[in-house]
Amino acid sequence: AQRVTQPEKLLSVFKGAPVELKCNYSYSGSPELFWYVQYSRQRLQLLLRHISRESIKGFTADLNKGETSFHLKKPFAQEEDSAMYYCALGPGNAGGTSYGKLTFGQGTILTVHP
Amino acid sequence: DGGITQSPKYLFRKEGQNVTLSCEQNLNHDAMYWYRQDPGQGLRLIYYSQIVNDFQKGDIAEGYSVSREKKESFPLTVTSAQKNPTAFYLCASSIDAAGTPNTEAFFGQGTRLTVV
Repeated sequence: AQRVTQPEKLLSVFKGAPVELKCNYSYSGSPELFWYVQYSRQRLQLLLRHISRESIKGFTADLNKGETSFHLKKPFAQEEDSAMYYCALGPGNAGGTSYGKLTFGQGTILTVHP
Repeated sequence: DGGITQSPKYLFRKEGQNVTLSCEQNLNHDAMYWYRQDPGQGLRLIYYSQIVNDFQKGDIAEGYSVSREKKESFPLTVTSAQKNPTAFYLCASSIDAAGTPNTEAFFGQGTRLTVV
């Protein structure tokens, strides 16, 4: 069964400090992993996907298949990064093509203090 | 203005009543989804539909029903059989085609349902 675990419900850092939001997954096939973000009063939106290997708003995430992790990192946090972050596992090659059929972690609320 | 529209934003229901949440999209997406968001539990999939007139149960379908008569619309009915319906409900849509690069799910603003 697919499972995504985000061990930290709350994470607080000061502006300019590094931040790492942890995500571990359980999946038997080749995983598709995403980070979604929900800013205050805004809709849930895609932040980045592992397959793109891109940096968005200074955030990066590396898929580590050995540790089954997909941690989200940013070297210098900003106040505008304060939001709810969800790690999500896509259907992959076992789930067909429904790209919105996601398994979400519990979410981590990141607060960046000035 | 393209996107997904959910209505209403807030909904109150008396115990024992059915209630229908609306979700409309003009992104021309084939697939649509309903998620339930509870504090500390993340989002859980209720139902999804890959094509008109077809839909599949998600992880927590009990007490819910859906229909997909039009590509643009995917209403969710919360029935009286749902034991704990108070929650935040999110609708999403996506492309549903093999080999399409860089796809993602697009979410609505959500409907907060409260049973009183």
